[in-house]
Amino acid sequence: AQSVTQLDSQVPVFEEAPVELRCNYSSSVSVYLFWYVQYPNQGLQLLLKYLSGSTLVKGINGFEAEFNKSQTSFHLRKPSVHISDTAEYFCAVSGNYGQNFVFGPGTRLSVLP
Amino acid sequence: DSGVTQTPKHLITATGQRVTLRCSPRSGDLSVYWYQQSLDQGLQFLIQYYNGEERAKGNILERFSAQQFPDLHSELNLSSLELGDSALYFCASSVAGVESGNTIYFGEGSWLTVV
Repeated sequence: AQSVTQLDSQVPVFEEAPVELRCNYSSSVSVYLFWYVQYPNQGLQLLLKYLSGSTLVKGINGFEAEFNKSQTSFHLRKPSVHISDTAEYFCAVSGNYGQNFVFGPGTRLSVLP
Repeated sequence: DSGVTQTPKHLITATGQRVTLRCSPRSGDLSVYWYQQSLDQGLQFLIQYYNGEERAKGNILERFSAQQFPDLHSELNLSSLELGDSALYFCASSVAGVESGNTIYFGEGSWLTVV
């Protein structure tokens, strides 16, 4: 069975500082990895996804993530955050063998002025 | 706008009652997923339908049921409601299943408050 761990439930960071949101997964088979963002009172929106190929994936709003198979990680990064990045971020995993989307518990990013 | 439409956006009902949440997937999407989001349980997968048939089942209570109609819209029925059922219910859709890394697209959610 697949599972996703997001070790940080809350991450406060000052505006224009860099940020990394951590995601680790466990799966016995090949996986696809996703990051979604949920702004207050909205649904989840896809930020980026890793299917195959280059391990560095670029997404919307200046975010990027790096797939590390040996460490089973897919950490999300942004070099300089804005107030508008304040939101909940979810890491998710899916696969090819009937597994459904499994979401992590989420990380609440708070960007402070 | 993801293209996934959910109604109603907000719903307040009493314990013991029954409600129906409705979802229209993105044009062309065959799969519909239902998720429940609450503060204490996070985002929980309930059930998936593909082209009218149940494809996968998650942590869905026996008091809850869902179906997908020939026009591909879906309904989630919640009965004998309890206070603990208060949550945000999301519908999502994808072209097919989650195989091959298909992205699932979320609606805005339906806020259910049970009083």
